[in-house]
Amino acid sequence: DSGVTQTPKHLITATGQRVTLRCSPRSGDLSVYWYQQSLDQGLQFLIQYYNGEERAKGNILERFSAQQFPDLHSELNLSSLELGDSALYFCASSPTSGGPGTDTQYFGPGTRLTVL
Amino acid sequence: GENVEQHPSTLSVQEGDSAVIKCTYSDSASNYFPWYKQELGKRPQLIIDIRSNVGEKKDQRIAVTLNKTAKHFSLHITETQPEDSAVYFCASTDYQKVTFGTGTKLQVIP
Repeated sequence: DSGVTQTPKHLITATGQRVTLRCSPRSGDLSVYWYQQSLDQGLQFLIQYYNGEERAKGNILERFSAQQFPDLHSELNLSSLELGDSALYFCASSPTSGGPGTDTQYFGPGTRLTVL
Repeated sequence: GENVEQHPSTLSVQEGDSAVIKCTYSDSASNYFPWYKQELGKRPQLIIDIRSNVGEKKDQRIAVTLNKTAKHFSLHITETQPEDSAVYFCASTDYQKVTFGTGTKLQVIP
């Protein structure tokens, strides 16, 4: 157990809908990262937040957005969902403010999103 | 953008043999190279990492080597065991982004 929690574990929804995925980092970690893992595109970095502010951006679609709250939990919002958004969404956390290349990251168990 | 190529995509070895997985990257600014192990349906778990100022790092049966000039790095697993069976991902990162390889499915045959 990495100490990173994600909810829900599974999510099934329809095209065009909007969903919110939640992540709580390890105690003491200030950075949260979001990743998408699909069969088509593999594992992709989406975005990083540090202490409430966006720190680094990867291949995140405009239909997706994220935020980190004062208690450091983070939410990933996915809107206008398409079939191709079906994937495993992981969050990870790390202690410091450096970008993805500076810190060991600890992954959560993931949220499996199915868009029908 | 960064491109990370990982080979082979599948690898079968006999228990006790060694396994080697190779990755190449394109961005000379990349400075941190982690390796993750992912079992089916589970989270990626960091197994070893190396920074750009180091050429080799070892942790028990696992080692990673980095050749910055050639822009490639490799994962070496010795004395493989059935529990090493999983998908292994390399990654190349700098301060702003991380790019993953496409994964290697390792099967250790008892």
